[in-house]
Amino acid sequence: DSGVTQTPKHLITATGQRVTLRCSPRSGDLSVYWYQQSLDQGLQFLIQYYNGEERAKGNILERFSAQQFPDLHSELNLSSLELGDSALYFCASSASGQDSPLHFGNGTRLTVT
Amino acid sequence: GENVEQHPSTLSVQEGDSAVIKCTYSDSASNYFPWYKQELGKRPQLIIDIRSNVGEKKDQRIAVTLNKTAKHFSLHITETQPEDSAVYFCAAFKGGSQGNLIFGKGTKLSVKP
Repeated sequence: DSGVTQTPKHLITATGQRVTLRCSPRSGDLSVYWYQQSLDQGLQFLIQYYNGEERAKGNILERFSAQQFPDLHSELNLSSLELGDSALYFCASSASGQDSPLHFGNGTRLTVT
Repeated sequence: GENVEQHPSTLSVQEGDSAVIKCTYSDSASNYFPWYKQELGKRPQLIIDIRSNVGEKKDQRIAVTLNKTAKHFSLHITETQPEDSAVYFCAAFKGGSQGNLIFGKGTKLSVKP
């Protein structure tokens, strides 16, 4: 167990809908990362937060947004969902957001029908 | 931004043989290089990492080497076992206030008994 908690584990929704994915980092970790992994694909970096502030942004679509709350949990909001958004979404946390190891949660599998 | 190339994309070895996966990075400012193992349907797990002030690091059957001049790093697995079968991802981290961890596209390793 990595100590990173992601909910829900599975999510099935229709095109055009909006969903929220939740992540609780390991105790003591200040930085949260979001990654998207499509079928048989690599890990696409979406966004990183450190202690409530956005630190880095990857190829995150404008339909997607995220935030990190004062208690350090993070939410990833996906709106106007398309079939191509179906993927495994991972959250990871690290102690400092610098050169410290990332610990991944078990992911949320999103299926858009 | 940082770009990480990983080769090969698939690798098949006989049990007991060695496996080598290579990665190159583009940004000379990158200073932290972790390797992750992802089994089917599971989260990526850190198996070994190396920082730019070190040329080699070993942990039992796993070793990583780093050539800063050539900007490449490699994962070496000796005496492979069937349970080593998984997808392996390399990554490079560029420090600074806008730092983030960029992953290679992964290598699917199959160890045949």
